[in-house]
Amino acid sequence: QKEVEQNSGPLSVPEGAIASLNCTYSDRGSQSFFWYRQYSGKSPELIMSIYSNGDKEDGRFTAQLNKASQYVSLLIRDSQPSDSATYLCAVNGEDGGSQGNLIFGKGTKLSVKP
Amino acid sequence: DGGITQSPKYLFRKEGQNVTLSCEQNLNHDAMYWYRQDPGQGLRLIYYSQIVNDFQKGDIAEGYSVSREKKESFPLTVTSAQKNPTAFYLCASSLDRDTEAFFGQGTRLTVV
Repeated sequence: QKEVEQNSGPLSVPEGAIASLNCTYSDRGSQSFFWYRQYSGKSPELIMSIYSNGDKEDGRFTAQLNKASQYVSLLIRDSQPSDSATYLCAVNGEDGGSQGNLIFGKGTKLSVKP
Repeated sequence: DGGITQSPKYLFRKEGQNVTLSCEQNLNHDAMYWYRQDPGQGLRLIYYSQIVNDFQKGDIAEGYSVSREKKESFPLTVTSAQKNPTAFYLCASSLDRDTEAFFGQGTRLTVV
């Protein structure tokens, strides 16, 4: 069974701080990595995709990928109360049978305190 | 507007009744997915389809059925065999099996 592991949190940071969200995955053949944000009662929204080792920046968000360590992270700079949500890590690898090819972690709940 | 449309937003089912959740996309995506989410839990895969006229069971397919007769449509039927169907159902699609998936707004199903 392929796994995507995230700390469930809650992760609490003060407004203006950097929030750091981490994700590890078990399938070494994985090639595509995604971060989603899910507000309570809403559907997940894609915020970042990353496909190669290193950093990828988009506004206040930076995704970091280290395939050798099987580790993906998301940094949120200048955190705002509106960033309070659950963040889902998803990993796309080889066909996983009943798991499908896109495997989600259970998510980390982030709380940004004003 | 391009996107994924799920309907209805809220659905109530009586015991022993089959219900069908609609999912339509106009993004020309090949792959489509159905997930179930229970309160405070992660996403669990029910069924997925990587191409029209083909679909595979996910981890929790029992009590559910799907069809993929058209590229843009992937309806999910919750049958009476599904004993605990109350949940938030999410449909997603992606261009292909390697690219990011986008979600519809979800259908909240409640057994009454």
